[in-house]
Amino acid sequence: GESVGLHLPTLSVQEGDNSIINCAYSNSASDYFIWYKQESGKGPQFIIDIRSNMDKRQGQRVTVLLNKTVKHLSLQIAATQPGDSAVYFCAENLGDNFNKFYFGSGTKLNVKP
Amino acid sequence: ETGVTQTPRHLVMGMTNKKSLKCEQHLGHNAMYWYKQSAKKPLELMFVYSLEERVENNSVPSRFSPECPNSSHLFLHLHTLQPEDSALYLCASSWGTGELFFGEGSRLTVL
Repeated sequence: GESVGLHLPTLSVQEGDNSIINCAYSNSASDYFIWYKQESGKGPQFIIDIRSNMDKRQGQRVTVLLNKTVKHLSLQIAATQPGDSAVYFCAENLGDNFNKFYFGSGTKLNVKP
Repeated sequence: ETGVTQTPRHLVMGMTNKKSLKCEQHLGHNAMYWYKQSAKKPLELMFVYSLEERVENNSVPSRFSPECPNSSHLFLHLHTLQPEDSALYLCASSWGTGELFFGEGSRLTVL
């Protein structure tokens, strides 16, 4: 199967600081990437996505960067808040008709007050 | 009403039991999915249904049997499961090749 991995299993940041969560993907043919947030006891929730024809996309307090040369994806969260504490997953998609997303193992973000 | 609803939220069953997980989506999507989430492992794709037709099995054991009677409903029938099948089972839906919308999951414990 595909391999999507996260560099750090746990990340602790101070409230108000910026957070950066990294992800490596293995398939150079992947053309669609999504970051999901999963809070305890809940299902994964869409945060932001990016297609391979872009290298940066911004949302509200979040930015996703895509480096296709080294097959690396990152999620930046500005002014991290306690409500951002969760597990974050990156997912890659080959863009074929069957919409199969392959997920990384997740990074747990702890926001300290 | 939430977009993707899963029932039950929690299920405990013995290895000889037969039970079913249910998923319903209210988003008008045309594809539905079952994922398995085990501790310390990435989400594993189990089944994909597009327009009620199964298009992906992903080598799942036959003790898991999916059913998609229409584009809004998806079931996962369980029988003679093993303790290692204990996990969070997540249902998702999408429109075409767009993002997945997940339900809250069904936490399954097999004794």
